Amino acid sequence: ETGVTQTPRHLVMGMTNKKSLKCEQHLGHNAMYWYKQSAKKPLELMFVYNFKEQTENNSVPSRFSPECPNSSHLFLHLHTLQPEDSALYLCASSTRDRGLSGELFFGEGSRLTVL
Amino acid sequence: AQTVTQSQPEMSVQEAETVTLSCTYDTSENNYYLFWYKQPPSRQMILVIRQEAYKQQNATENRFSVNFQKAAKSFSLKISDSQLGDTAMYFCAFRDANFGNEKLTFGTGTRLTIIP
Repeated sequence: ETGVTQTPRHLVMGMTNKKSLKCEQHLGHNAMYWYKQSAKKPLELMFVYNFKEQTENNSVPSRFSPECPNSSHLFLHLHTLQPEDSALYLCASSTRDRGLSGELFFGEGSRLTVL
Repeated sequence: AQTVTQSQPEMSVQEAETVTLSCTYDTSENNYYLFWYKQPPSRQMILVIRQEAYKQQNATENRFSVNFQKAAKSFSLKISDSQLGDTAMYFCAFRDANFGNEKLTFGTGTRLTIIP
């Protein structure tokens, strides 16, 4: 399998549920990202991990908890979400090397609906 | 902070015609990268074309080309001989070239529809 894969593709959860989104990249990249995509808004960067270390947390509420056990896997743990958290959550990866343009490679996204 | 503006929420064009999507950005950096991403209805975002700010020559990728105007902070995408498969959301994105800053800033996107 190649590229960036995300599971599940669709998730419906209640506000009291705990669920997780998973992302896996097979590109040998060393940086991974979570983005939130809502209608008519720019993509919002949530978290950045470089070599498993979190390097950016873009003021994301604590009900979103990321985990990066290695350079190939990234999770987003969800707990006590609000209806306004319903969105498409995109995972991406890139190579973090000096002199490279660092374009992102995206997964297909996980469509989250919070009831 | 950098900002990226796409002023055309939606566009449509007949198949085989040429269409230009606009993008402007604001930054105080001198070295940076610009990107156009395409997100088809199946949702996976893919890179269409990239431009390094230090290069004066406009990037081209087959039917896709950009008009990069650094002084005007403008980065438009031209799609020639448009095809039905070009129907998608198109996002303009910016990244400064400083090592250690991997953050891409995206615009709100332009929904492009190619009409048969």
